[in-house]
Amino acid sequence: GEDVEQSLFLSVREGDSSVINCTYTDSSSTYLYWYKQEPGAGLQLLTYIFSNMDMKQDQRLTVLLNKKDKHLSLRIADTQTGDSAIYFCAESSTGGYNKLIFGAGTRLAVHP
Amino acid sequence: DVKVTQSSRYLVKRTGEKVFLECVQDMDHENMFWYRQDPGLGLRLIYFSYDVKMKEKGDIPEGYSVSREKKERFSLILESASTNQTSMYLCASSSIGRDIQYKAFFGQGTRLTVV
Repeated sequence: GEDVEQSLFLSVREGDSSVINCTYTDSSSTYLYWYKQEPGAGLQLLTYIFSNMDMKQDQRLTVLLNKKDKHLSLRIADTQTGDSAIYFCAESSTGGYNKLIFGAGTRLAVHP
Repeated sequence: DVKVTQSSRYLVKRTGEKVFLECVQDMDHENMFWYRQDPGLGLRLIYFSYDVKMKEKGDIPEGYSVSREKKERFSLILESASTNQTSMYLCASSSIGRDIQYKAFFGQGTRLTVV
């Protein structure tokens, strides 16, 4: 069945780049998403990439998609303490119901 | 600004109680979802609805039911709450369509504790 996997924890120094990785199994996935969850809050859509793209850049965020390996990554440049959160990778496949499959989430800790 | 509102941020209920979690969206979205979030497990889909009075089971529907009488409102019901239903519950909505309309918008979450 469908599955999304990501590592559970990442620690980086403030000002460095963070790279959060994700693998997925559903080759029919149309969109892949990154959501951010700050402490005590719901999920906020950070960015998404359509499956026919390889890369998408949005200010400090760069999303890379390797369809052959079913690998997705999120790079955050110049990581700040405000970036500390849980980051969820998610996939959705074609079909009207947009059923999202989430990974377990990567907790990003940014230290001085 | 798009909005998905869950009726409570925190709830404490006793084992065996019937619990209602309410969710309202103001975006005229067709799809609505209930997830539960547990540490190390991510978000797991409980139920979803793609239209008024329509519902589909997600990955973990046991012990839950849902109601969608109006397009903007989707309720999650715990018929007889148990301690293993202590969790964070997240509601989301999305529209049917192409491109960015597939994005799901989430509520702020309800942290339910069953004692």
